[in-house]
Amino acid sequence: KNQVEQSPQSLIILEGKNCTLQCNYTVSPFSNLRWYKQDTGRGPVSLTIMTFSENTKSNGRYTATLDADTKQSSLHITASQLSDSASYICVVSARAAGNKLTFGGGTRVLVKP
Amino acid sequence: NAGVMQNPRHLVRRRGQEARLRCSPMKGHSHVYWYRQLPEEGLKFMVYLQKENIIDESGMPKERFSAEFPKEGPSILRIQQVVRGDSAAYFCASSPRASGDGYNEQFFGPGTRLTVL
Repeated sequence: KNQVEQSPQSLIILEGKNCTLQCNYTVSPFSNLRWYKQDTGRGPVSLTIMTFSENTKSNGRYTATLDADTKQSSLHITASQLSDSASYICVVSARAAGNKLTFGGGTRVLVKP
Repeated sequence: NAGVMQNPRHLVRRRGQEARLRCSPMKGHSHVYWYRQLPEEGLKFMVYLQKENIIDESGMPKERFSAEFPKEGPSILRIQQVVRGDSAAYFCASSPRASGDGYNEQFFGPGTRLTVL
């Protein structure tokens, strides 16, 4: 069964600090892994997409890593800002018709001043 | 180029009524996906449609739920005889094409929050 597990479930950090979110997956056959940011009451917005051959990708202060051998990914947020408060969702795509996505439960990040 | 649009944003129904949720994909996108997000949970795939065709409905309950994406007009997710357990946020996403590999971005709408009283 395809699964995506994220940790921690929630996280509180002080503004300006860094944090790292974890994602483990068992999706097979693997196509690509995405990190989305979902603000409260809104739809998810893509931050990064990585395929099998990519092991790191950055988008501003967000840096995602991928280890396809251990089936793990991380999302690192640098110099956090209050606007980073959101849920961060790890999503893995299986190589199958329709590009079906399997979503993790998300990590809720709260940035405090 | 407007993003994915969903309406209504909020919908309140009494048990036993019907709920109709609409999704207009981004311009040029012919692939639509519906997801459900229960409170405090992650998004769960429901159904994937192309114009006039259901490609994958493996995540959609067999009873009371149906989806369509007609040649003209928005995609509709229809829930008949709603129950309290149907209360959730329903998100629609669209993409320009489907492929089992590579970067196939899905763009999400703002969601419809359904509350069943």
